[in-house]
Amino acid sequence: QKEVEQDPGPLSVPEGAIVSLNCTYSNSAFQYFMWYRQYSRKGPELLMYTYSSGNKEDGRFTAQVDKSSKYISLFIRDSQPSDSATYLCARFSGGYNKLIFGAGTRLAVHP
Amino acid sequence: NAGVTQTPKFRVLKTGQSMTLLCAQDMNHEYMYWYRQDPGMGLRLIHYSVGEGTTAKGEVPDGYNVSRLKKQNFLLGLESAAPSQTSVYFCASSYGRPLAGRSDTQYFGPGTRLTVL
Repeated sequence: QKEVEQDPGPLSVPEGAIVSLNCTYSNSAFQYFMWYRQYSRKGPELLMYTYSSGNKEDGRFTAQVDKSSKYISLFIRDSQPSDSATYLCARFSGGYNKLIFGAGTRLAVHP
Repeated sequence: NAGVTQTPKFRVLKTGQSMTLLCAQDMNHEYMYWYRQDPGMGLRLIHYSVGEGTTAKGEVPDGYNVSRLKKQNFLLGLESAAPSQTSVYFCASSYGRPLAGRSDTQYFGPGTRLTVL
């Protein structure tokens, strides 16, 4: 079992839809999670990070961690075509800021 | 402030050839990382460095070597390229120990697309 599992998609939604992207993790140590966004043929860029359980909101984006079910979610409200990208979840893996990444979910928002 | 840059952007090698990928960062970051990204596999850590003159193995180090002679540069070498090393390679960097007001997240370069025939 991979440490961080993520449905690769692709996920296709109409503009304005609410998008839910999800990951599961297997190791309960280091409760520090990140979401990266990667546009086609570009490097990943940090979107949000969150510690432990609960929600964190930033504009149209909300990151949620459910420790009991080992579930990480990213919600995008009022999705835009510019949100079309691959979204990578990652878990902090201990020393030296190392990260373990999920495989990424490809999202397409069509006008 | 260019952030993290990678050279070259694209490269095609024949099996058995060698090459070096260069990563440079201008953010004075202590830590630097090399990843490879393959379809369905996500980003996998090859090697990393926690300071000038230091290197350590990541998840998939076999077939690669690295060097960090200067704080701002991290080199990834392939001594004898194999088709299994066809991938997109990303370099990243981050600050060392997190301090108040300073993020410990990783900043990524634009990637190098390598094809080994």
